[in-house]
Amino acid sequence: QITLKESGPTLVKPTQTLTLTCTFSGFSLSTSGVGVGWIRQPPGKALEWLALIYWNDDKRYSPSLKSRLTITKDTSKNQVVLTMTNMDPVDTATYYCAHRPTTYSSNYFDYWGQGTLVTVSS
Amino acid sequence: SYVLTQPPSVSVAPGKTARITCGGNNIGSKSVHWYQQKPGQAPVLVIYYDSDRPSGIPERFSGSNSGNTATLTISRVEAGDEADYYCQVWDSSSDLWVFGGGTKLTVL
Repeated sequence: QITLKESGPTLVKPTQTLTLTCTFSGFSLSTSGVGVGWIRQPPGKALEWLALIYWNDDKRYSPSLKSRLTITKDTSKNQVVLTMTNMDPVDTATYYCAHRPTTYSSNYFDYWGQGTLVTVSS
Repeated sequence: SYVLTQPPSVSVAPGKTARITCGGNNIGSKSVHWYQQKPGQAPVLVIYYDSDRPSGIPERFSGSNSGNTATLTISRVEAGDEADYYCQVWDSSSDLWVFGGGTKLTVL
């Protein structure tokens, strides 16, 4: 059974750096093809894909946020970490991590964490 | 970058058929995936690879994709189907994931 759970601060100040951790179970990020992605959703708005890391440490970022994002993995701890620099109130959102299946062409997310709401305010 | 366009809202009476569209340039050449999101909950995958259903998703949910439009069809709509629905593709040219703007399905 695959589960994911996001953790991190619920409140950050403008200009600060946000660090979110996705802790997962039921799969290994060393398995060929597997990926873990981050998606966010501002209150009342649409989903926005942020980043994804593959089993082989290959990484992809949303072009609009690439300069502010870093995604890393710790395979031994079953964790993926997302950092976002220079936070702004418009970054207030629920942040989700999600599992990408192992099949080469499986570019969707079949399991999602519950999400964590991050508010950016002074 | 690749853009997916969804109608903001769709309304349907119980027992009828709801069709939610997702438009994109030559989207028929891509694989489209659909997610259902109920208030306060995480998204749930309901259709992948245009028309495949994950285990546990009712057969009432189906999908199609051709030309510039992909469609999620929900037959015999129930009150419990009321939710936001998002389409998603992987843009191979940029190796990036793209979500549509979402459609709120209201069951009258």
